[in-house]
Amino acid sequence: GAVVSQHPSRVICKSGTSVKIECRSLDFQATTMFWYRQFPKQSLMLMATSNEGSKATYEQGVEKDKFLINHASLTLSTLTVTSAHPEDSSFYICSARVQGTNYGYTFGSGTRLTVV
Amino acid sequence: TQLLEQSPQFLSIQEGENLTVYCNSSSVFSSLQWYRQEPGEGPVLLVTVVTGGEVKKLKRLTFQFGDARKDSSLHITAAQPGDTGLYLCAGVMDTGRRALTFGSGTRLQVQP
Repeated sequence: GAVVSQHPSRVICKSGTSVKIECRSLDFQATTMFWYRQFPKQSLMLMATSNEGSKATYEQGVEKDKFLINHASLTLSTLTVTSAHPEDSSFYICSARVQGTNYGYTFGSGTRLTVV
Repeated sequence: TQLLEQSPQFLSIQEGENLTVYCNSSSVFSSLQWYRQEPGEGPVLLVTVVTGGEVKKLKRLTFQFGDARKDSSLHITAAQPGDTGLYLCAGVMDTGRRALTFGSGTRLQVQP
């Protein structure tokens, strides 16, 4: 089946530093990937839609200069949290829509970011 | 405001009991999916419903999509401790927006 590999699974960083999260589609091409954020005991909230070869589309209230998304190839999308602050600590999950299936979405295993 | 509201938010029941989780919206969805998520992991797809009025069964789980494609329900029969987790409904809106919109979530705890 279609698999999205997400790394790292956990990261701890200091305030003010940047962190990059990678999502790779292993056995299919993903022209579009979606990035979600999940705070403790809450649901997944869409942050942005990543489009291969073009600019990402950000949801209202999500700072595009803080959450940099790059989708340079059909199998890789990255999310960089710049100048991280403790309030950015969250669970970040990527997802891709599987081509050829009308309703199939596959999810990465998530990245737990802790900013200290 | 959450586009997809789930109820209840939290449910703690004894093993063997039945339960129903509801997912409601004022918007129409072209498809709706149910996921279960374990702590520290990504959500895992349980089922996709597409047609208004559709009912799907997966062992002890029964899923229903409302006739107007605005709501859905998940019914679990004879719940087991292994059913414990966060249940999320998620839909693709009829507007052509490709991203999944997630519901507010229902945390289920099944006590042995």
